[in-house]
Amino acid sequence: KAGVTQTPRYLIKTRGQQVTLSCSPISGHRSVSWYQQTPGQGLQFLFEYFSETQRNKGNFPGRFSGRQFSNSRSEMNVSTLELGDSALYLCASSLVIQGNYNEQFFGPGTRLTVL
Amino acid sequence: AQSVTQLGSHVSVSEGALVLLRCNYSSSVPPYLFWYVQYPNQGLQLLLKYTSAATLVKGINGFEAEFKKSETSFHLTKPSAHMSDAAEYFCAVRRAQGAQKLVFGQGTRLTINP
Repeated sequence: KAGVTQTPRYLIKTRGQQVTLSCSPISGHRSVSWYQQTPGQGLQFLFEYFSETQRNKGNFPGRFSGRQFSNSRSEMNVSTLELGDSALYLCASSLVIQGNYNEQFFGPGTRLTVL
Repeated sequence: AQSVTQLGSHVSVSEGALVLLRCNYSSSVPPYLFWYVQYPNQGLQLLLKYTSAATLVKGINGFEAEFKKSETSFHLTKPSAHMSDAAEYFCAVRRAQGAQKLVFGQGTRLTINP
């Protein structure tokens, strides 16, 4: 079974631009979560989607948004990019059975650099 | 609220020596606990998980961890370190029920000396 895939793997943008990152979960996994990883702040939760609905959101500004499609694929968008948005963005998927969440499996991440 | 503290941002051991990575958690509700490993330029790989069954959990690559509620700890161990174990290790906690959000520790970078 294929793992979590994320595209693109690397991205360079300039301040003020916007960016969209994509995540395809493991087949059958309907929960998708996003995390930001930086040297200073570590791994921080952005948001989680299940059945096309955002179920939980971390403490990030409104410039960070996401969505999930009917096939469980997810995208996250960052508008008006700032230098501090440079990070590794990780997507994770998990199997949900009768409301019980199993462990999260992570993709390789998208490395975003903002110049 | 939940939090995780990993003692030691860097740990160095000799090849063949015991690996011990420390993790203490804080949780107001029954927790699920996880250890993940991250190799350079890669995502996180799940090593093992505690989900309220056995308190001694065995994972991949010879790692294991013991959940000690009285000490609020979930330390990761491996009897004999291998060069391929060099990586960054993250301890994480989440609620047993409900929200899927993982709260991570700051990570411990493990170096293996030949």
